[in-house]
Amino acid sequence: EADIYQTPRYLVIGTGKKITLECSQTMGHDKMYWYQQDPGMELHLIHYSYGVNSTEKGDLSSESTVSRIRTEHFPLTLESARPSHTSQYLCASSQIDTYNEQFFGPGTRLTVL
Amino acid sequence: AQKVTQAQTEISVVEKEDVTLDCVYETRDTTYYLFWYKQPPSGELVFLIRRNSFDEQNEISGRYSWNFQKSTSSFNFTITASQVVDSAVYFCALSEGSDMRFGAGTRLTVKP
Repeated sequence: EADIYQTPRYLVIGTGKKITLECSQTMGHDKMYWYQQDPGMELHLIHYSYGVNSTEKGDLSSESTVSRIRTEHFPLTLESARPSHTSQYLCASSQIDTYNEQFFGPGTRLTVL
Repeated sequence: AQKVTQAQTEISVVEKEDVTLDCVYETRDTTYYLFWYKQPPSGELVFLIRRNSFDEQNEISGRYSWNFQKSTSSFNFTITASQVVDSAVYFCALSEGSDMRFGAGTRLTVKP
């Protein structure tokens, strides 16, 4: 059973607000990921991390930033939210070894008005 | 570049029907892994199966079965005797080691 948590599950905010989406995992996984997904549509990788102090940009250009100060924690921050950021954000983690399956959190559904 | 194609955008079946979800992939590597995930309406992705490129044996898990054919670069997923709870979006994915590429997903609706 995967133990990866995301908060909040739902968030509605106004344009221009700064927000941080939280993601934590208790499996000791080194690799963590953030995906952006419109409901039921394709997943787009926006950030990933190989471990503490490692952050990389994914395929989809994103105005968000991430940090990895602790192994279990991988928050995503939007400095100034816009309506175009409205989407679902999924966090995932996996073991550092190659080819391992990723375990996903429940997601955060963000709506920017 | 690796690529995953799920040509079926949406499938609708009646309960107890069998249904097959198609997945075709492209890769230049000889070593790779294929995955299937289920995304129910609640939103989280649930891992279903992982298969490496050297193992072409078909796999069965209850009502689920997977058919991996390297000759056609396909990794199809069949649900036997479908149930309403199988309604979800199903994603096929490919990993060559550095990252994972997902297909666009197939939305399966099982009607009672």
